Parts: sequence; structure tokens; C-alpha cells
Amino acid sequence: DIQMTQSPPSLSASLGDKVTITCQASQNINNYIAWYQQKPGKAPRLLIRYTSTLDSGTPSRFSGSGSGRNYSFSISNVESEDIASYSCLQYVNFPYTFGAGTKLDLK
Amino acid sequence: QVQLKESGPGLVQPSQTLSLTCTVSGFSISSYGVMWVRQLPGKGLEWMGVIWGNGNTKYNSIFKSRLSINRDTSKSQVFLKMNNLQSEDTAMYFCARFNWVVDYWGQGVMVTVSS
Repeated sequence: DIQMTQSPPSLSASLGDKVTITCQASQNINNYIAWYQQKPGKAPRLLIRYTSTLDSGTPSRFSGSGSGRNYSFSISNVESEDIASYSCLQYVNFPYTFGAGTKLDLK
Repeated sequence: QVQLKESGPGLVQPSQTLSLTCTVSGFSISSYGVMWVRQLPGKGLEWMGVIWGNGNTKYNSIFKSRLSINRDTSKSQVFLKMNNLQSEDTAMYFCARFNWVVDYWGQGVMVTVSS
């Protein structure tokens, strides 16, 4: 199984900051990584697929990059509505595996 | 619009069987796969298994033979059954649409395993 090591586990940011989350896969996942936002009691929301493709409705302040085993997800100009948990998912192989998640809160 | 909604008991006794239903709308489960994902308290998401549009299934081996997923296309419902539940199976259970990537999710149902 592919392990996804996500860091950091938590982040504190001020409004307007840029924040970055990383996921490292245990093997090459050929850009098949997605990023999700999850708010308490809500369904996860797909933000980015295939490393950097923003899903419909995802604001342009969200971005993704990477290749091979190493990927990152960024939010520029953090807004209050971005306070949530974020997780990565590799979908190159079954079983699909997720990162452990990053909780973003306001400083 | 695409919607998925999980339903099932909130409390299951140890060693009993969990039965959950995912009712979908806005797409056909004959054309898209549906998968089950769970989230243990305070932990990350864990992929459980998928039923493809053609009815084939694939499961995460960590559930060994405890897990089965099937469906009723006439009712747009997908079912999860997992037997021999233990306290460590206490989790939020989600169903989600599989479009290679997992794109739409239900709100989830909390399942507690306790006597």
C-alpha cells in the first residue's frame, strides 16, 4: 500500500497569510493526488485533482503542485472561510490512501 | 445536483453486523462507482471499498472478509455490510462517488460500537 505522509498536522495562520501543506508518497504516484477540505460535521469537499487542477467552484487562491513522490497544496490570502481540515488522497493505486490531515486555524 | 446520503444505525453492539445504506441522486450508480470511506475519531480518512458502475467490487484488504458492498440500481442505493464489529470500528462512515477521483461525498453517519 502507498503511504501518504502529510505535514504539518496543524497550522495557525492570520487572515491574508499564505500557507502550504505537503504530502509525500511512499512511491511515485504520477501526479494522481487530490486535496480535500473538511469542516466539522460536513462532507469533505474536493478542491484539487490531478495535482493542480482546480475543481469547479474552487477559488483561485487554492493551488497545488508537485511530481513523483512530493506534492504541496497552498492557500494564498487565507480567508476566514478557509478554516478547516485539509487532506490529500493518492488515487493511482488501490487501496486509495489519504494523508493524516492538517487542521488550519486562525492565529 | 449530485447528492449522496448515508443512513443506518448509530449504535451497534460488539460482534454484530453493521448495515449502512447510501442513497444517491443526480447520477446513476450504473454509470459511476460508489465507495465507502471511514474516519476514526481524531484520525484521517480510510478507504474501505468500491462498487463500480458495472457492479464489480474491490475492498481494502485490512477488512479481510468482514466487508461487502452491493447495490440496488432500481433504488439508486448502495449498501455496506461489515460483520464482527469491534470498538475500534467506531467511526464516521461516508459514501462517495467514484469518478476515478473521489468527487462527491455524503455527509456521513456516525457509528458507535458499544454494548
